[in-house]
Amino acid sequence: AQSVTQPDIHITVSEGASLELRCNYSYGATPYLFWYVQSPGQGLQLLLKYFSGDTLVQGIKGFEAEFKRSQSSFNLRKPSVHWSDAAEYFCAVGSMNTGFQKLVFGTGTRLLVSP
Amino acid sequence: NAGVMQNPRHLVRRRGQEARLRCSPMKGHSHVYWYRQLPEEGLKFMVYLQKENIIDESGMPKERFSAEFPKEGPSILRIQQVVRGDSAAYFCASSPGPSGDTQYFGPGTRLTVL
Repeated sequence: AQSVTQPDIHITVSEGASLELRCNYSYGATPYLFWYVQSPGQGLQLLLKYFSGDTLVQGIKGFEAEFKRSQSSFNLRKPSVHWSDAAEYFCAVGSMNTGFQKLVFGTGTRLLVSP
Repeated sequence: NAGVMQNPRHLVRRRGQEARLRCSPMKGHSHVYWYRQLPEEGLKFMVYLQKENIIDESGMPKERFSAEFPKEGPSILRIQQVVRGDSAAYFCASSPGPSGDTQYFGPGTRLTVL
């Protein structure tokens, strides 16, 4: 069965510093991979997705992620964090085994941004 | 184009009551998914529906939970005889198709069972 691991529960980054959030997945075939962001009390907003092709994916709000098959990873990066980026970030893998896109989510990483 | 709409945003029920959660998908989307987020956890898939059909309910508890997506109107997630362990955020997502399409999420309904 597919699974997603986000090893960091909390991360604190200074405003203006770079950010990398880790995501490792377990899936037998080429996965569909997603990063979503959830602000407090809000729903999930899609940051970026990887289906195929270029392994470096650009998303909204200056985020990017790199798919590394050899490491089963899809880490999220941003070169310079803004205070408004403080939120919870979820990595998800989409499974097509069932004929539709069933998303399996990691437990999330809460990003805190210090002044 | 309005996003996925869910209501109510917050719902408080006493143990034993029924909770009814509604989801209106994005315009043009005929595929709806329900996920549950327990405190301090990620989202867990519950059920996938198309209009008038339940396609996959493998993540739904066998008892007390049901879902529907009628020909007209929103999708409904119904929880009968709620218990404290049902307290969670319930998210609905929609997509235009089932395969390879991005799921767009609503703001969620936060259910509190007293």
